This record gives sequence, structure tokens and C-alpha cells, in this order.
Amino acid sequence: EPEVTQTPSHQVTQMGQEVILRCVPISNHLYFYWYRQILGQKVEFLVSFYNNEISEKSEIFDDQFSVERPDGSNFTLKIRSTKLEDSAMYFCATRAYIGTGELFFGEGSRLTVL
Amino acid sequence: KNQVEQSPQSLIILEGKNCTLQCNYTVSPFSNLRWYKQDTGRGPVSLTIMTFSENTKSNGRYTATLDADTKQSSLHITASQLSDSASYICVVSESNYQLIWGAGTKLIIKP
Repeated sequence: EPEVTQTPSHQVTQMGQEVILRCVPISNHLYFYWYRQILGQKVEFLVSFYNNEISEKSEIFDDQFSVERPDGSNFTLKIRSTKLEDSAMYFCATRAYIGTGELFFGEGSRLTVL
Repeated sequence: KNQVEQSPQSLIILEGKNCTLQCNYTVSPFSNLRWYKQDTGRGPVSLTIMTFSENTKSNGRYTATLDADTKQSSLHITASQLSDSASYICVVSESNYQLIWGAGTKLIIKP
């Protein structure tokens, strides 16, 4: 069964450092998303990406965050200067089409900021 | 304000028993409603997606219902197994395809 893969599974970083989280979407999917989940809290939408550009972003997705699809396969989330409150699980999700298209999630990248 | 409320927050049942989880939403205009299962530390996995016209949808031992008039949904789990222990999240899609996430119900199955 096709799956979304994310790397790294866990990253520990110092406050102020840059972090890049990577996602390999399912091959024929067109819509890509990043979500985060702080421990014990609900899943929060960060950003959606379609046709090589951001289609929606939340208030959380400020200037410290950026996304890109550098080589047509990987979909990356960059946090420029990490803060303690960025510690969370970050999930990449993809779907083939909008509407009732099923959303497939990766296993997540756990980010710990010290 | 668009919201998704789930109850109970947590639930403990014995293996083999049935249970029902509730979801109330105020999302409008409505497109579809999804139930996800999330094991601890893992990504959510889709159980069902229901559109406005669907009242019931089953996926194995999971049966979801939707009442679009009262804006309520339920997820019924039959003959629970230890592997059903997880968080179950209700997610409602607006017509512009934005997903509004509930906080989830944490289900624990005890042997």
C-alpha cells in the first residue's frame, strides 16, 4: 500500500537553530499538507500546498516557517529559528484530489527544542 | 465559529464490549465528515469519510453515522479489541475543504 514517508523520525535541536523536516508524498498525489500536534493536544493545520505554491496557511505558519518542493518529490518544512514552543510532532499529509479525497498521513517527525 | 466537539474526552471499556463515541459540529457550510484513528505517537489513519447524503458507513467493526440536520455524528465500535486502544478524532470539512479538527476521544481497552 502506498504511504507517506517522513524523515527524520525524531530530531533534537537547540533553540534558535534551523530545522528541515522532509516528506515524500504518495506519487500521484497533488495536495500536500503540514500539520503539527503538541503533546496531548489536538492536531493543528499549518499549511497546504498545491501546484508548487501555498494555497492556505494558518496563523501558526508565520515568517519562521517555509515550505518547498525542491526536486518534485520531497516536500519540506523549514523552521528558520526554532523556539521551545515549536516542540511537537509534525505530520505531513497528502491526497490525490480535493473534496472527499482521503488524506494520508505520514508517521510524523518528533521535534524537540531544548 | 466553526467548531467540532467530541465526547467523551476519554473512555475505558473491557475487551469485547461495544462503545459509541460522539461528535457534534457547528461547521457551515458542510462538505464531509471524517473519523480518524490515531495510535499514540503515530499519524492519524482514516476510518470513514461521509458526505451530506450518507447516514451510515461501515469499515469492519467501525460504523459511523451522520445526522446532518442535527449536526451530529457517532462512531460505534463493535466487539472491541486491545488494538482499538487509540484516540479517535472527528474532522469536519467545510465546503472550501478546510478541515476542522476535534480534540479526539482517548479510548482504552482493558483485557
